Amino acid sequence: DAGVTQSPTHLIKTRGQQVTLRCSPKSGHDTVSWYQQALGQGPQFIFQYYEEEERQRGNFPDRFSGHQFPNYSSELNVNALLLGDSALYLCASSPRQARAWELFFGEGSRLTVL
Amino acid sequence: AQSVTQLDSHVSVSEGTPVLLRCNYSSSYSPSLFWYVQHPNKGLQLLLKYTSAATLVKGINGFEAEFKKSETSFHLTRPSAHMSDAAEYFCVVSGYFTGGGNKLTFGTGTQLKVEL
Repeated sequence: DAGVTQSPTHLIKTRGQQVTLRCSPKSGHDTVSWYQQALGQGPQFIFQYYEEEERQRGNFPDRFSGHQFPNYSSELNVNALLLGDSALYLCASSPRQARAWELFFGEGSRLTVL
Repeated sequence: AQSVTQLDSHVSVSEGTPVLLRCNYSSSYSPSLFWYVQHPNKGLQLLLKYTSAATLVKGINGFEAEFKKSETSFHLTRPSAHMSDAAEYFCVVSGYFTGGGNKLTFGTGTQLKVEL
């Protein structure tokens, strides 16, 4: 049983560009959350998707958007990239009514903005 | 709102000596607390969890943490450090959204170094 898979694992962009990161949840999970982990920091909650809609959002600007597909996979989009968007982006999946410790994390997509 | 504070950004121990990673929490209600570990280029792994049951929590690989409400602390310990323990450790508190779903709030992390 594959866990949470994310792609790409690494990518480099320049300021002002747009990026799309992808996440496939663990089998049986229908809820996907995204976290941003800047260098030397703990992960910070970006948003959570369930039933193809954004349900909850952290303190991130509208440049950060997402999508969830009928198969529960998800995308994170970041527009107008800034240097400060350089980070490891983590996807976590869970069943809808999961308890907090039932989140499974992927290994992340490392974004570098030059 | 919930938050956690990890008191040490870096901890260095010798192999075979005890490990202590400190965490204080702030929560307006009885919290659920966790420790996660992140090895280089790896995803986050749950070490242990406290969910208002026993205050001394045992996790994987011999790690333990004790919930002390009076001190608002949730320190992580291990009696004897192994080289493989070298990693980043995060203290985490969970929050719950109205209507379901949960959110994890992470501390800033403690980098554990284990020396021979």
